[in-house]
Amino acid sequence: EAGVAQSPRYKIIEKRQSVAFWCNPISGHATLYWYQQILGQGPKLLIQFQNNGVVDDSQLPKDRFSAERLKGVDSTLKIQPAKLEDSAVYLCASSLAPLGNEQFFGPGTRLTVL
Amino acid sequence: SQQGEEDPQALSIQEGENATMNCSYKTSINNLQWYRQNSGRGLVHLILIRSNEREKHSGRLRVTLDTSKKSSSLLITASRAADTASYFCATGGSGNTGKLIFGQGTTLQVKP
Repeated sequence: EAGVAQSPRYKIIEKRQSVAFWCNPISGHATLYWYQQILGQGPKLLIQFQNNGVVDDSQLPKDRFSAERLKGVDSTLKIQPAKLEDSAVYLCASSLAPLGNEQFFGPGTRLTVL
Repeated sequence: SQQGEEDPQALSIQEGENATMNCSYKTSINNLQWYRQNSGRGLVHLILIRSNEREKHSGRLRVTLDTSKKSSSLLITASRAADTASYFCATGGSGNTGKLIFGQGTTLQVKP
């Protein structure tokens, strides 16, 4: 079965620019997650979708970050405007159901903000 | 918020030796999961242990969970160079969102 797909794999932008990341979860997975992983740290959940509804976005900096999951499949995470501290790897993951299930991760997008 | 704290932060062993990593957490959980991350790649799920389980095995992996001490350990037996990676514990809360909170990770180096 195909894994979680993410693009782009790498992105370099200047501060105050905008950037968007795309994720395609495993077919049939209702739950989709976006994580931010800063170098040397564990992943931090930004937002969790159940189908196309938001379940948890408590740690999403909503003044600059936005995410959507139209039609309950693909998802896009956007940063506008980017700050230096947004430099990180952005990981997308999916699972069959939210509670008590393993999550399958994509390869991530490494963002560098200059 | 960081739920799991892992110990040690870094571990270096020889091939064939066993590696033990520990994870402590603060609040009640539904399950605890361990993930591996090779350099520059996404995370791979290793094992899930539920709050009513005390020990679980998968191949060369053994995970224990002590809910009274709010701690878990991951043992990798007969380590191989290919086990070199970062290992993260992630706690699944008792709420119905299934949100996972990851620890800082243990970096394991297995020398050939």
